Amino acid sequence: DGGITQSPKYLFRKEGQNVTLSCEQNLNHDAMYWYRQDPGQGLRLIYYSQIVNDFQKGDIAEGYSVSREKKESFPLTVTSAQKNPTAFYLCASSPLQGALGTGELFFGEGSRLTVL
Amino acid sequence: DQQVKQNSPSLSVQEGRISILNCDYTNSMFDYFLWYKKYPAEGPTFLISISSIKDKNEDGRFTVFLNKSAKHLSLHIVPSQPGDSAVYFCAASGWGSARQLTFGSGTQLTVLP
Repeated sequence: DGGITQSPKYLFRKEGQNVTLSCEQNLNHDAMYWYRQDPGQGLRLIYYSQIVNDFQKGDIAEGYSVSREKKESFPLTVTSAQKNPTAFYLCASSPLQGALGTGELFFGEGSRLTVL
Repeated sequence: DQQVKQNSPSLSVQEGRISILNCDYTNSMFDYFLWYKKYPAEGPTFLISISSIKDKNEDGRFTVFLNKSAKHLSLHIVPSQPGDSAVYFCAASGWGSARQLTFGSGTQLTVLP
């Protein structure tokens, strides 16, 4: 089955530690995204990548880092510099969008990070 | 500056009645609008969409209406079912934003049996 796999589903971290969230897709999509969801807020874009070895900051990139070494994979590292890392993290992918595109995203099931 | 706004954080309706979820946008460059549905601890799933060249799109129990002059869209669910209870996100895209989706803050719909 084609889809997006995020792991781990739940993760606990001590303050001061970096943690990496995994995102793998087998949809052959060029673009991949990381969003953060907090209670009562919409999905906020952290980073996105439209092509291998290239990525751009979203609206809330501070304290996060990403890499895109393979088309299928887009891991997100939450660093100790992120002040409020406890959140639900969502990875998404899409085909590259041209002028006739819709922007539709396909989401993984999410990873909940809790900082103790 | 919130370009996509869902002003009602929650909505409760009786099973079998109509649910109406509202969304407003400010960016005139948006030309495609989507609704996503999200259950707790899961990723959002695409529900229905509408292009700015239309004012209505229907898919089974779900209908989305677009009022471009008012920069307003709404999602109607008829009849509402308990399984529809979820958070609904409105999202918009435009060529000017390279088709990046901008999301609203979501509305929690609860359908009471």
